[in-house]
Amino acid sequence: NAGVTQTPKFQVLKTGQSMTLQCAQDMNHNSMYWYRQDPGMGLRLIYYSASEGTTDKGEVPNGYNVSRLNKREFSLRLESAAPSQTSVYFCASSAASVGVGEQYFGPGTRLTVT
Amino acid sequence: GQSLEQPSEVTAVEGAIVQINCTYQTSGFYGLSWYQQHDGGAPTFLSYNALDGLEETGRFSSFLSRSDSYGYLLLQELQMKDSASYFCAVYQSNYQLIWGAGTKLIIKP
Repeated sequence: NAGVTQTPKFQVLKTGQSMTLQCAQDMNHNSMYWYRQDPGMGLRLIYYSASEGTTDKGEVPNGYNVSRLNKREFSLRLESAAPSQTSVYFCASSAASVGVGEQYFGPGTRLTVT
Repeated sequence: GQSLEQPSEVTAVEGAIVQINCTYQTSGFYGLSWYQQHDGGAPTFLSYNALDGLEETGRFSSFLSRSDSYGYLLLQELQMKDSASYFCAVYQSNYQLIWGAGTKLIIKP
């Protein structure tokens, strides 16, 4: 039981390049989330998926797209990376049926955009 | 606007008790959560309060007062491994967590 896994762990991009961050959970959770964390700050919600087949914008969605591929997998895409997107990206999942409660986090992806 | 206020840093001695406060102002409120994050690590869940009062889980307790828009995390019998950042986070709606900037807890022997 791996919990929440993310790939890659580290990535360096040049401005304008695109990439997809992958996330998978093996806990049969309905809800999945993408956050970013900038140095010395709390997490900010980018997008979430309440259940398979649905996605919704969070606090900071601009510059990102997501896909809930199936119940296990939730990917985050940067179409044209910008230096302001340099951050640590965390994926999370939750079993809670109404969205509130414990969230389980992956180890994070450390992204640098030059 | 929305804001969560918590101290940026707290220092305590091993074996002591420490309280980390959180005040919030959000457009909606469904509950208050606390997470722990070690340097370079991922956040891990500590507690969730939807109703007023104290919730206790081992050495950690969390309190909520909805009328005061205030909560705190109480850590007892501090151990060196408790050195970490602690975040309060409010469910502004179902699924949407708004996070504070975190409190760095420094524990001295």
